[in-house]
Amino acid sequence: AQKVTQAQTEISVVEKEDVTLDCVYETRDTTYYLFWYKQPPSGELVFLIRRNSFDEQNEISGRYSWNFQKSTSSFNFTITASQVVDSAVYFCALSNSGNTPLVFGKGTRLSVIA
Amino acid sequence: NAGVTQTPKFQVLKTGQSMTLQCAQDMNHEYMSWYRQDPGMGLRLIHYSVGAGITDQGEVPNGYNVSRSTTEDFPLRLLSAAPSQTSVYFCASSYRADLNTGELFFGEGSRLTVL
Repeated sequence: AQKVTQAQTEISVVEKEDVTLDCVYETRDTTYYLFWYKQPPSGELVFLIRRNSFDEQNEISGRYSWNFQKSTSSFNFTITASQVVDSAVYFCALSNSGNTPLVFGKGTRLSVIA
Repeated sequence: NAGVTQTPKFQVLKTGQSMTLQCAQDMNHEYMSWYRQDPGMGLRLIHYSVGAGITDQGEVPNGYNVSRSTTEDFPLRLLSAAPSQTSVYFCASSYRADLNTGELFFGEGSRLTVL
């Protein structure tokens, strides 16, 4: 069975602080895919990143970075120098290979205060 | 660039009424799915389809029906609405059923209230 746990329900930071959103996953498959989505206050869901289980390289995209560690089954997301526009709900998701739908975590609500 | 289109965006129903949430995509995506989003529960999968004529149940299928007669459309039917079905519903699609290669594209959501 697949499971995604986002233990942080809500996080509040002051602008320009760094913040890390945790994601822990469970799966029995050796091939799987991890995702992060952003849901801003407007409500749409925005794809941020996809990572497969064979690629443990960390990824950086501007102020965003992702740390994938198979040893701890974690796929954490860090925002550096946070901005008010980063305020959103962030979802981590997991899919096994093949025709397996995405399973989402419950999300972490990030509030960045000016 | 229509992408994934959901209608209606808002709907209020009375308990026991039926309705259909429409979802259409113009990207020739094989994979389509319906999620519901409730506070503190994240996104939970209701039903999904890996191609025309093929549907399967997700985590919370009770009270909902789907069909996939065309590649483009994937309607979600509530046969007898209940207050527990008050939620925001998202339709999503992907170019390939193997999510390895395709990101999931979401519609804007449909907010349903059942009184």
